Amino acid sequence: DTGVSQNPRHKITKRGQNVTFRCDPISEHNRLYWYRQTLGQGPEFLTYFQNEAQLEKSRLLSDRFSAERPKGSFSTLEIQRTEQGDSAMYLCASIGDRMNTEAFFGQGTRLTVV
Amino acid sequence: GDSVTQMEGPVTLSEEAFLTINCTYTATGYPSLFWYVQYPGEGLQLLLKATKADDKGSNKGFEATYRKETTSFHLEKGSVQVSDSAVYFCALGRNQGGKLIFGQGTELSVKP
Repeated sequence: DTGVSQNPRHKITKRGQNVTFRCDPISEHNRLYWYRQTLGQGPEFLTYFQNEAQLEKSRLLSDRFSAERPKGSFSTLEIQRTEQGDSAMYLCASIGDRMNTEAFFGQGTRLTVV
Repeated sequence: GDSVTQMEGPVTLSEEAFLTINCTYTATGYPSLFWYVQYPGEGLQLLLKATKADDKGSNKGFEATYRKETTSFHLEKGSVQVSDSAVYFCALGRNQGGKLIFGQGTELSVKP
């Protein structure tokens, strides 16, 4: 399967701890997006990479959040000093540059902060 | 800014019933419009899309028409199946749909 892969699938952490999620996009896709989805809501855009460059960040992405895509391949999303309000599903999507392409989503990482 | 509003769920239908899920949007210019589906335990999948006014997207018996005059992109299916049970998200996007603005989702449950 060469789809978008996210790890871990589930993460339970205590408030105040740091967590890091990983996304492996489809190999030829140069654009990568992170979204956050809370219960009963649609996904909300967090940030976007074109190759290794982070081109846009949402206001939702507080200083405690940081994302990287060091070699233009996989990406990591780190949350420092987690809060209960960070509990959500974190989704990654990748998309290529060809016309009529589409965004492919991973299955997400479900974070629970206790 | 851009926004998407969907009809609230859950929607419960009997098999072979007609489905409509309403979606309206607010946006400047001419975004692309999408319907994504999320089956239990799976990631979001693109169901259909339309890139300009009056375009009709269709897939797996589902259809939606991009109506600029009413700023709508309602999802329809003539005869639903139990396997259509899922959460459906309407979304708008720019730049070929990478950055998406989603509605809140509508859960559909189809009973045999």
